[in-house]
Amino acid sequence: QKEVEQDPGPLSVPEGAIVSLNCTYSNSAFQYFMWYRQYSRKGPELLMYTYSSGNKEDGRFTAQVDKSSKYISLFIRDSQPSDSATYLCAMPNNNDMRFGAGTRLTVKP
Amino acid sequence: SQTIHQWPATLVQPVGSPLSLECTVEGTSNPNLYWYRQAAGRGLQLLFYSVGIGQISSEVPQNLSASRPQDRQFILSSKKLLLSDSGFYLCAWMMGTDTQYFGPGTRLTVL
Repeated sequence: QKEVEQDPGPLSVPEGAIVSLNCTYSNSAFQYFMWYRQYSRKGPELLMYTYSSGNKEDGRFTAQVDKSSKYISLFIRDSQPSDSATYLCAMPNNNDMRFGAGTRLTVKP
Repeated sequence: SQTIHQWPATLVQPVGSPLSLECTVEGTSNPNLYWYRQAAGRGLQLLFYSVGIGQISSEVPQNLSASRPQDRQFILSSKKLLLSDSGFYLCAWMMGTDTQYFGPGTRLTVL
């Protein structure tokens, strides 16, 4: 079993839809949780950073962590074509990071 | 603020040729440095990481090697490229147990 599991998709939604992206993890030692966004042919960029269980909002983006279930989510409200990208969840582990496989999202106008 | 540079941005090389990709970080000291490869439509594969000058840890046995000649410089090399070395190579830096920050990447095509 991989330490971090993420459905690679692809996921296609119409503009304005609410998008839900999810990851599960197996290592209960993970304390921090990140979401990266990667546009085609670009390096991943940090989108959201959370520490505790619960929700964190940043504009149209909400990161949710449930440590008891080892489950994290990223919600995108009022999705836009510019949100089309690959989204990777990530968790730091000592000097390293554990990444999900990434979910490829397409938002159609 | 910190900045990470990678070059070249794109590279097309014949099979059997050597490779040298360079990554430099500005605005921080003694960062942890990482090389990843990302095949088309695939996740990130950690290749090497370094916690200091001359300290390299290899995650995947292959014909690639890495070196860290200076605190903020990380180099990925190969003596003879294989077709399977094609991919998108990403350099990243990290301080402590915090977040990793990525460079713009190098797209390598081996023909």
